[in-house]
Amino acid sequence: AQTVTQSQPEMSVQEAETVTLSCTYDTSENNYYLFWYKQPPSRQMILVIRQEAYKQQNATENRFSVNFQKAAKSFSLKISDSQLGDTAMYFCAFGNEKLTFGTGTRLTIIP
Amino acid sequence: NAGVTQTPKFRVLKTGQSMTLLCAQDMNHEYMYWYRQDPGMGLRLIHYSVGEGTTAKGEVPDGYNVSRLKKQNFLLGLESAAPSQTSVYFCASSYGGISYNEQFFGPGTRLTVL
Repeated sequence: AQTVTQSQPEMSVQEAETVTLSCTYDTSENNYYLFWYKQPPSRQMILVIRQEAYKQQNATENRFSVNFQKAAKSFSLKISDSQLGDTAMYFCAFGNEKLTFGTGTRLTIIP
Repeated sequence: NAGVTQTPKFRVLKTGQSMTLLCAQDMNHEYMYWYRQDPGMGLRLIHYSVGEGTTAKGEVPDGYNVSRLKKQNFLLGLESAAPSQTSVYFCASSYGGISYNEQFFGPGTRLTVL
């Protein structure tokens, strides 16, 4: 069975600081995709960043970047220059036809 | 484009009642999904569809049925609601196949079963 572990249920950082959210997963497949989704209080799920498992280069999207370690099955999200609007639940997910989600990390940005 | 829409946004049922949740997408996506989100448990896949006329079970299918008669619509049915089905339900869609397979989500439906 595929599993995703987000070991940090809650985190908080000061505005403008950098924060890293951790995610590990377990699968026997070789070809899959990884995602970080953000869920603000509005409840809407918003894609933050994606990574193809066959690509060694880490994905970046403005202030968001990932550290993908395929051998270690690790996929962490780094948020630089954090902003108040980054306050949300963050879910790590991976898969192909179907996605498996982690239980989420509640991130609070402190003014 | 409206993206993924869900109807209704909120619903309260009594135990044993039935209801259908409607999901619609206007992106011509092949794949559609139904998830439930419970506190501390993330999103769990209920059922999904890889194309019009197809359905498949996900992680937690018991107590739910689905239908995909039209490509743009994916219906989730509860035949006899139970308090354990109190949850927030999300529909999602994706292009599917060998691609990014990014899933686009609807706004969710909060269901309470008394």
